[in-house]
Amino acid sequence: GQQLNQSPQSMFIQEGEDVSMNCTSSSIFNTWLWYKQDPGEGPVLLIALYKAGELTSNGRLTAQFGITRKDSFLNISASIPSDVGIYFCAGYTNAGKSTFGDGTTLTVKP
Amino acid sequence: GAVVSQHPSWVICKSGTSVKIECRSLDFQATTMFWYRQFPKQSLMLMATSNEGSKATYEQGVEKDKFLINHASLTLSTLTVTSAHPEDSSFYICSARDGRLRYEQYFGPGTRLTVT
Repeated sequence: GQQLNQSPQSMFIQEGEDVSMNCTSSSIFNTWLWYKQDPGEGPVLLIALYKAGELTSNGRLTAQFGITRKDSFLNISASIPSDVGIYFCAGYTNAGKSTFGDGTTLTVKP
Repeated sequence: GAVVSQHPSWVICKSGTSVKIECRSLDFQATTMFWYRQFPKQSLMLMATSNEGSKATYEQGVEKDKFLINHASLTLSTLTVTSAHPEDSSFYICSARDGRLRYEQYFGPGTRLTVT
């Protein structure tokens, strides 16, 4: 099956720093979604990307759909303590089949 | 919009009993619903996909007779863990997709199951 490599696995940063994480695959996807999961909660959709090369922002979050359609990245600018959580990427094929990354655990030190 | 609820949020049951978890899409019609299992500090493991009115499609290694999924309406899917064992203790999360909204999946808040 398709696999996604999400990195880094975890990040420990200082409040105010920028964060970057990415997902790569050997397979092509037609849609990339980025989610955030708080402890004990379900994931919440952050950003959806539908076209290769697309760059989309949601507040301090920016995500891009790689031009090869095999990767995507998520940036968080000027991190704050409430950014703490696990971030997941998910790639979707044309048939709607999804593959989730293993997640990036973000810790923000005040 | 796009709210998914789950009930109960947590449940403790005795080994050998069955537990039913409900997943509802509150403000949209969910043509497809998904059930995931998540262990602490791990990713989401897809258990099964169900389309309204059809039998669920289970992922490899997931016992369909143990994890019964019913998607009887466009707003409700249920997962029943039958003859629960302690190793079934986990965080179960459902998600729902409105077929008109491309591929976005909206997740419920999860159900913490503890089997004693």
